[in-house]
Amino acid sequence: GESVGLHLPTLSVQEGDNSIINCAYSNSASDYFIWYKQESGKGPQFIIDIRSNMDKRQGQRVTVLLNKTVKHLSLQIAATQPGDSAVYFCAENTGGGGNKLTFGTGTQLKVEL
Amino acid sequence: GAVVSQHPSRVICKSGTSVKIECRSLDFQATTMFWYRQFPKKSLMLMATSNEGSKATYEQGVEKDKFLINHASLTLSTLTVTSAHPEDSSFYICSARERASQGEQYFGPGTRLTVT
Repeated sequence: GESVGLHLPTLSVQEGDNSIINCAYSNSASDYFIWYKQESGKGPQFIIDIRSNMDKRQGQRVTVLLNKTVKHLSLQIAATQPGDSAVYFCAENTGGGGNKLTFGTGTQLKVEL
Repeated sequence: GAVVSQHPSRVICKSGTSVKIECRSLDFQATTMFWYRQFPKKSLMLMATSNEGSKATYEQGVEKDKFLINHASLTLSTLTVTSAHPEDSSFYICSARERASQGEQYFGPGTRLTVT
């Protein structure tokens, strides 16, 4: 399934299916992007990152795609598992000396058995 | 590696009192630490950037006299919520960036503050 993360939407997928979580970022000057996973009551956990000079990066069961033309970022999770249930945030780093992160609104991923 | 801790994990305080939250990088030196605030089912909002040995840089709309930040060493930053009010109740999360890092921030587990 797919989602567009604007108002903390919920994406429900069946266990074993692939998940696609989308994010629209705001700043065309952003040079570094990160996906975080946050479980209830915990801090964000790093999943995968990508720099602006790339359009795709793969990790273990996860792939991040970056489309700078339309300022869009997506996270693909293969063979989604119950342990993947969490809120997923994209974050953009606008670069420069501050290296501050701006977080997207997040997407709640629910994995159904 | 790259573990960040926060203390306390939960705190309840009365209106008008102050509460201090600690953020520690356990196995790396963090020249920069960040403090975020998160309301239920909302995203993380950056409050301030804390650089070791210098004054913190606050985001627009964040009162520096209410949210005191100290970054006295390369492994410790503190956030003190002064004269707390119920509307300060929130989830406060810190992150730290390694000295040599170009961007990745490591997040602490968060502190749940409830002001009664």
